[in-house]
Amino acid sequence: AQRVTQPEKLLSVFKGAPVELKCNYSYSGSPELFWYVQYSRQRLQLLLRHISRESIKGFTADLNKGETSFHLKKPFAQEEDSAMYYCALSGDNDMRFGAGTRLTVKP
Amino acid sequence: DAGITQSPRHKVTETGTPVTLRCHQTENHRYMYWYRQDPGHGLRLIHYSYGVKDTDKGEVSDGYSVSRSKTEDFLLTLESATSSQTSVYFCASDTGTGNRNTIYFGEGSWLTVV
Repeated sequence: AQRVTQPEKLLSVFKGAPVELKCNYSYSGSPELFWYVQYSRQRLQLLLRHISRESIKGFTADLNKGETSFHLKKPFAQEEDSAMYYCALSGDNDMRFGAGTRLTVKP
Repeated sequence: DAGITQSPRHKVTETGTPVTLRCHQTENHRYMYWYRQDPGHGLRLIHYSYGVKDTDKGEVSDGYSVSRSKTEDFLLTLESATSSQTSVYFCASDTGTGNRNTIYFGEGSWLTVV
């Protein structure tokens, strides 16, 4: 069965500090992984996905199959990054999400 | 946002009453999903659909049923609402094509069962 684990429910950093949101997964097949973000009072939206190998809003995430991880990183956090972040894994027909990490960036 | 709308956006209902939430998408997406969002649990999949009249259970399907009679509509029904079903419900859809799995979400439906 596919499973996504985000060990940190809350994460707080100061503006300009590096940030890393952790995500671990379990899946028997070849995983497709994503990060979604939900800003206050807005719908969830795609931040990035591993197959694109892209950097969005300064965020990057690398799939590590050996450690079954897909951690989200940003070298210099900004106040506007404060939001709820969800790691997601695509299975055969559905998409499963982690419990989410609420990131707060303090001034 | 892929033209996904949910209705109603807010509803208060009494325990034991039936409730139906509607999700409508205008992008001709093949796949549609219903999730519930709860503190500490994140997003949990209730049911999903991979085509008209093709549906399957997710992680937390007990107490819920769905129907997909048209590509654009995916209905979630609580046959007899309970207080544990108080939650925010999100509908989502994706293309099922080359860009599959870029899920687009609706704005959410806040349901309170009293």
